[in-house]
Amino acid sequence: EAQVTQNPRYLITVTGKKLTVTCSQNMNHEYMSWYRQDPGLGLRQIYYSMNVEVTDKGDVPEGYKVSRKEKRNFPLILESPSPNQTSLYFCASSLSSGMNEQFFGPGTRLTVL
Amino acid sequence: SQQGEEDPQALSIQEGENATMNCSYKTSINNLQWYRQNSGRGLVHLILIRSNEREKHSGRLRVTLDTSKKSSSLLITASRAADTASYFCAKGDDKIIFGKGTRLHILP
Repeated sequence: EAQVTQNPRYLITVTGKKLTVTCSQNMNHEYMSWYRQDPGLGLRQIYYSMNVEVTDKGDVPEGYKVSRKEKRNFPLILESPSPNQTSLYFCASSLSSGMNEQFFGPGTRLTVL
Repeated sequence: SQQGEEDPQALSIQEGENATMNCSYKTSINNLQWYRQNSGRGLVHLILIRSNEREKHSGRLRVTLDTSKKSSSLLITASRAADTASYFCAKGDDKIIFGKGTRLHILP
């Protein structure tokens, strides 16, 4: 089944404790992206990647890192999480760019205490 | 902010009625997409309209695009309970900007 998977789905952590949210797609898509969703603000793009080893900042990259060492994986790294990063995070992928239909993962609900 | 704006923010209609949502944006586009989100789940792509298109249909969905007014609308005809969701427009080629969404509630 074609899908985007994220892990973990739920995470409660404390300020400053490094964490990684994994994202994987099995559709051989070149484009992958991370978003955060906050009430009243809709979705905001954090980082995106056009292909392996190519990553670019979205609208709200501060406090986040990403890497794209393999085509299928695009982990989101929070080196020192803070409470303002409490949010619902979505990973998405598409065939070749953001102009194509994006397929979204199920989301990761992160709480930073 | 570069975010587009959907309006209304929330909409409640009776089942069977038509629902119209609007999206405005600030900069020129190559295409605009509409997505649906059911209660905290991942978004699902509905339709993509390119800048040289004025109207596009998909089942009960009709999307229009007016590049001179920098706006798009999504019409859902003959609404059903299952259409209850949030709807977002998104623009961009690689860097994607989503609007804040319209919450649609279909009343039985």
